[in-house]
Amino acid sequence: DQQVKQNSPSLSVQEGRISILNCDYTNSMFDYFLWYKKYPAEGPTFLISISSIKDKNEDGRFTVFLNKSAKHLSLHIVPSQPGDSAVYFCAASAATSGTYKYIFGTGTRLKVLA
Amino acid sequence: DTGVSQDPRHKITKRGQNVTFRCDPISEHNRLYWYRQTLGQGPEFLTYFQNEAQLEKSRLLSDRFSAERPKGSFSTLEIQRTEQGDSAMYLCASSFTLSTTDTQYFGPGTRLTVL
Repeated sequence: DQQVKQNSPSLSVQEGRISILNCDYTNSMFDYFLWYKKYPAEGPTFLISISSIKDKNEDGRFTVFLNKSAKHLSLHIVPSQPGDSAVYFCAASAATSGTYKYIFGTGTRLKVLA
Repeated sequence: DTGVSQDPRHKITKRGQNVTFRCDPISEHNRLYWYRQTLGQGPEFLTYFQNEAQLEKSRLLSDRFSAERPKGSFSTLEIQRTEQGDSAMYLCASSFTLSTTDTQYFGPGTRLTVL
């Protein structure tokens, strides 16, 4: 039962353009969502998060959008840079249900072409 | 920098041997988590501690797995009688929780290979 889904295994974008990574979830109890970036042989690095009481959160080049009715979130990276090339994971938790574990998607490999 | 650290970074063992991994969280973080990641998958939750209390365990955590956080600081994850299916990256994360928005920070992971 895949509660968090990233349906695009890979994405290629030209440097300077926008990268849009998508994530869908099925559990309506999820109330906190995060994006992590992962390089090979390293642990995931926290990028940005959003609480279910918001629909947008911005941090520099990174913006996360949450559409609760569609159970969909997306990460926008503008402008994309070659150093952004990595695997991106979305994660969700249902903290108000008393559990703090994260459920992760399977990841999207982003390649930013110079 | 006092991020999450894990030791060892790599472990190769033979099937049937026991292995133990250590995680040192960010100081003052009260929650510590263990996840496992296999190729092509996202991290999967194994267990978590709040201070020294183990509050939740996944069904993935068979009887061969045990985790401890004896003084509410570092944690160990032991796998007994390893099997080839245990080969994975074992990730530790920590957080300091004041509210329900609990952001977990991950260590570099321990890559386990069971031959």
